[in-house]
Amino acid sequence: KQEVTQIPAALSVPEGENLVLNCSFTDSAIYNLQWFRQDPGKGLTSLLLIQSSQREQTSGRLNASLDKSSGRSTLYIAASQPGDSATYLCAPYGNAGKSTFGDGTTLTVKP
Amino acid sequence: DTEVTQTPKHLVMGMTNKKSLKCEQHMGHRAMYWYKQKAKKPPELMFVYSYEKLSINESVPSRFSPECPNSSLLNLHLHALQPEDSALYLCASSQGALAGVNNEQFFGPGTRLTVL
Repeated sequence: KQEVTQIPAALSVPEGENLVLNCSFTDSAIYNLQWFRQDPGKGLTSLLLIQSSQREQTSGRLNASLDKSSGRSTLYIAASQPGDSATYLCAPYGNAGKSTFGDGTTLTVKP
Repeated sequence: DTEVTQTPKHLVMGMTNKKSLKCEQHMGHRAMYWYKQKAKKPPELMFVYSYEKLSINESVPSRFSPECPNSSLLNLHLHALQPEDSALYLCASSQGALAGVNNEQFFGPGTRLTVL
């Protein structure tokens, strides 16, 4: 059974800092990994999808990396802004035909 | 357009009521999902439909009954729920649900369900 861990559970930073969110998973037999953000009481917004054959994916100030063999992914956020405050979730998609979500990292960016 | 819509936004029901949640997408996606999310927890998969056929049921109690009438629409029928079923119910869709097919998931805003 896939188990996903996200570290840290919570993070508070001043505006403008660069930061890294970590995701580790126990079963490396995945097809892809997706990063989401979730605002309180809202649905999930897809940020990035990395295929298992890729090492990196970038979108604007976001960069996600994937090391499938070691079961790790990181989400790098450059020049953080208060609007980035949210919970960030990673979800590897495995050969059981489904995604497994981590508990998330709750990010607060202070003005 | 990457929009998944869900209705209603909020639902309050008694334990003897029957109600339905609705999810719709017009992206031509052929896989649709129901998730349940409790406060401060990650989403938990309930059901997956692929090409309008149920492909995954995560041992969900029978008081939850999914239905996929066509490729754009997904319903979740609720009957005799318990207070512990109160949660945010999220619908998602993806182009496919098979390995090798683009299965990037797009989520709706959710239905906040309260069972009294």
